[in-house]
Amino acid sequence: TQLLEQSPQFLSIQEGENLTVYCNSSSVFSSLQWYRQEPGEGPVLLVTVVTGGEVKKLKRLTFQFGDARKDSSLHITAAQPGDTGLYLCAGNNQGGKLIFGQGTELSVKP
Amino acid sequence: DVKVTQSSRYLVKRTGEKVFLECVQDMDHENMFWYRQDPGLGLRLIYFSYDVKMKEKGDIPEGYSVSREKKERFSLILESASTNQTSMYLCASLSRDRGYNEQFFGPGTRLTVL
Repeated sequence: TQLLEQSPQFLSIQEGENLTVYCNSSSVFSSLQWYRQEPGEGPVLLVTVVTGGEVKKLKRLTFQFGDARKDSSLHITAAQPGDTGLYLCAGNNQGGKLIFGQGTELSVKP
Repeated sequence: DVKVTQSSRYLVKRTGEKVFLECVQDMDHENMFWYRQDPGLGLRLIYFSYDVKMKEKGDIPEGYSVSREKKERFSLILESASTNQTSMYLCASLSRDRGYNEQFFGPGTRLTVL
C-alpha cells in the first residue's frame, strides 16, 4: 500500500515567518501535486512536480520534488494571512489515482 | 481552465433517503473520481471511472454506487443515506493535457444526514 506522510499536521505562525511542509513516502511517484484548500471549498491545484530534483516557484511558494521522486517539500517565504488554509500533497501512481497526505493546517496570524 | 462543477454546495437529507450527487466537467476528460473528506481521515477515494459506463471501486465503496452515462457527468448515489455518510464530498476530473496526470476538483458538496 502506498502511503504519503505529510508533516506537520498543524502550523500556527506569525505573518512574515517562513515555513516548510514535508511529504515523504517509501514509494516512487510519477508526479506529485500540491493543493490548497479553504474551508468549505474544494482543493485548488497549486503545482505539479514531475522530474526528480525539480524546483518550481509560485510567488513566495517554492516546491521541490526529491531526486528519487519519493518526497516533496513546500516552502513559504514571508507568510501572509492570505496563505492560511489546508495544504495537501498528493502523489500520482501510474494508474492516475492520487495518494493523499493527511494535510497541513496552516494558520498565519497578522 | 478546467471547470468541475457539483450540483449542490450544501445538502441536508434524512436517514434512509436516496441521495444523488452530480458532478460535471467541461474538458472531455475520461477519468473522474469521487472522494469524501473527513477531519482526521483526509481524502478517501470512493469510486472512479475511466470511461463512460465504466466504474471501479475505490477504497471505501460500501454504501455508495455511481453512474457514468455521459462522459462529462459522474454521479454518486447513496442508496439509503446513513448518518455516518455525513461528510464533504469532492468530485475530481483527470487531465493529461500537459503530458502528465493532474486532478482538478469541484467545489465540494457538504452533505448532512439527519
